[in-house]
This record gives sequence, structure tokens and C-alpha cells, in this order.
Amino acid sequence: KAGVTQTPRYLIKTRGQQVTLSCSPISGHRSVSWYQQTPGQGLQFLFEYFSETQRNKGNFPGRFSGRQFSNSRSEMNVSTLELGDSALYLCASSTEQGSGGYTFGSGTRLTVV
Amino acid sequence: GENVEQHPSTLSVQEGDSAVIKCTYSDSASNYFPWYKQELGKRPQLIIDIRSNVGEKKDQRIAVTLNKTAKHFSLHITETQPEDSAVYFCAARGDNYGQNFVFGPGTRLSVLP
Repeated sequence: KAGVTQTPRYLIKTRGQQVTLSCSPISGHRSVSWYQQTPGQGLQFLFEYFSETQRNKGNFPGRFSGRQFSNSRSEMNVSTLELGDSALYLCASSTEQGSGGYTFGSGTRLTVV
Repeated sequence: GENVEQHPSTLSVQEGDSAVIKCTYSDSASNYFPWYKQELGKRPQLIIDIRSNVGEKKDQRIAVTLNKTAKHFSLHITETQPEDSAVYFCAARGDNYGQNFVFGPGTRLSVLP
């Protein structure tokens, strides 16, 4: 069974640009959540999608957005990048809300210069 | 909302000794508590979890205990080995619709040979 796949693995962007990250969950998993991981702030929840609907959103500015497709694949977009957006962005999938823990992807490391 | 604290932030033990990491949570509605291990440069991986209707769960050298009254749960690792060296994250979540995981800030465990 394939795991959670995130692409790309690494990205370098310039301040002001926008970026789109992709996540393909484990087959059969309909819930996809996104987290930002930084050394200082730990794992911070961005949003969760289930059946193409955003069910929950963390405390991030509107520059951070996401969506989920009918095949459960998800994308997150960050517009007008800032230096502070440099982080590891982790995607996690699960079968459904409340059924158990996450399976994380390897993440996309975004560096904003 | 939920708030999860985790202690200690760093922990060094001699190989063969035990390690204990404690987390406290604030929301009495939380009922699912997973633990994740993240090795350097790798994704977080679920190592053990516990639900609120259980007080203790074991899996070989790893155990988790839960005290619902005091709202704290702990990870116990016995007979530590160098490969146990990693960052460990606790998390808490309720079954409320759309509720996300809230993670603790992490504990860096070093097992010294």
C-alpha cells in the first residue's frame, strides 16, 4: 500500500511569490490535514479536508488556502510568500475523523529567500 | 480550544534506562491521545495511541498511561536503545466534528551508548 505522497520535496521561492504544494493520501483515506512544522513553533495545524470540504481551519492568515479533489488528493497554496513561511509542510491522511491517528507524508521543505 | 503541554523538552538517558515523557491537556472533551516519533529528517510516525476509555496500553517496550481526572498522559519507554533517539510528540483530539489534533511542542530524546 503506497504511503502519503507529497510533492515537491524541496522548494525555494522568493518573497512575494506564491507556491502550491500537493498531497496524495493513502488509497481509501478521505481525510487530509496539513501542518506547518518549524523549530520554534512545532506542529501547527493549517486545515483539514474531508470529501472535498474544508472541515476545520487553524489560525493562519488568508494567504494560506487549500482544496481537495474528488480523488482525495489535496493541494495547499500560499500566496505572497514571506520569509517566515519557511518551514516543513506536512500532509497527513486518515480514514475519517475520529477513527485513529494520522499517517504523515515526508513533507515539503519550503525555503523563502 | 485545546492546549497541550509537554515535558521535558529534552531528555538524555543511558542506554538500557527508562524514559518518561509527560503531556497535559486542557479540554476534558479530548478522548484520543496518540504519540508520534520523528527521527531527524524523517516524517512523524505514530508509535502508540490511547483512547479515553482505557487507562494504559503497552506495545513491547513502549507504554502509554492516561489519567483523565488529572488530564495528563505519559509515554514510557523501557530498555532504551540508541535507535529510540528522536523527537517525540504527543497530541490530543476529541471526536467533535472537524476537530483537529493539537500537538505538544515535542521532546528531544537522546539515548547515550
